Amino acid sequence: AQKVTQAQTEISVVEKEDVTLDCVYETRDTTYYLFWYKQPPSGELVFLIRRNSFDEQNEISGRYSWNFQKSTSSFNFTITASQVVDSAVYFCALSPDREGANSKLTFGKGITLSVRP
Amino acid sequence: ETGVTQSPTHLIKTRGQQVTLRCSSQSGHNTVSWYQQALGQGPQFIFQYYREEENGRGNFPPRFSGLQFPNYSSELNVNALELDDSALYLCASSLSSGDSLQNSYEQYFGPGTRLTVT
Repeated sequence: AQKVTQAQTEISVVEKEDVTLDCVYETRDTTYYLFWYKQPPSGELVFLIRRNSFDEQNEISGRYSWNFQKSTSSFNFTITASQVVDSAVYFCALSPDREGANSKLTFGKGITLSVRP
Repeated sequence: ETGVTQSPTHLIKTRGQQVTLRCSSQSGHNTVSWYQQALGQGPQFIFQYYREEENGRGNFPPRFSGLQFPNYSSELNVNALELDDSALYLCASSLSSGDSLQNSYEQYFGPGTRLTVT
């Protein structure tokens, strides 16, 4: 069985602050994929990143960075110098590799991020 | 490149009725997955369609059924609607290559259909 836990439910920061969104996962698969999606008020899920379980290198994309630690089953997401436009619900998700990289995404409950001006 | 589209945007139905939701996949994508997102929750996998056949199903009863057409668009049908079926229904498309689906790529989601059952 697969499980994704996002223990933080709501986070509120002031613009320009850095914020880290936590994600802990459980899986019996030896290979798997991890994802982060952003869901703005419009409702559409926006793909942010996919990470293969083989690759533990951290990734940076502009103000976004991801820290994957297999030893602690965590895949945390940091937004540097947050902006009001970052306000959204963020989901961490997991899928098995054995059935195709993106089959059957298992999502966490999401973290609501509010960035105040 | 055309993104994933879904119709209708909103829908209100009465308990016991049937509903059909539609999804057009992103250009070049051949795999469609459906998810149900209840208020305040993460999306839950319903099922996936590849080559017009169901390829995997989540923990949803048989009254949730689907179709995929030769142009890769898809429908989600829900019979005997219950109040708990009220949710945002999301469609996601991706590209799969080969029979084993081992090379699926990122899933791109549509804007969803908000279904309210009264």
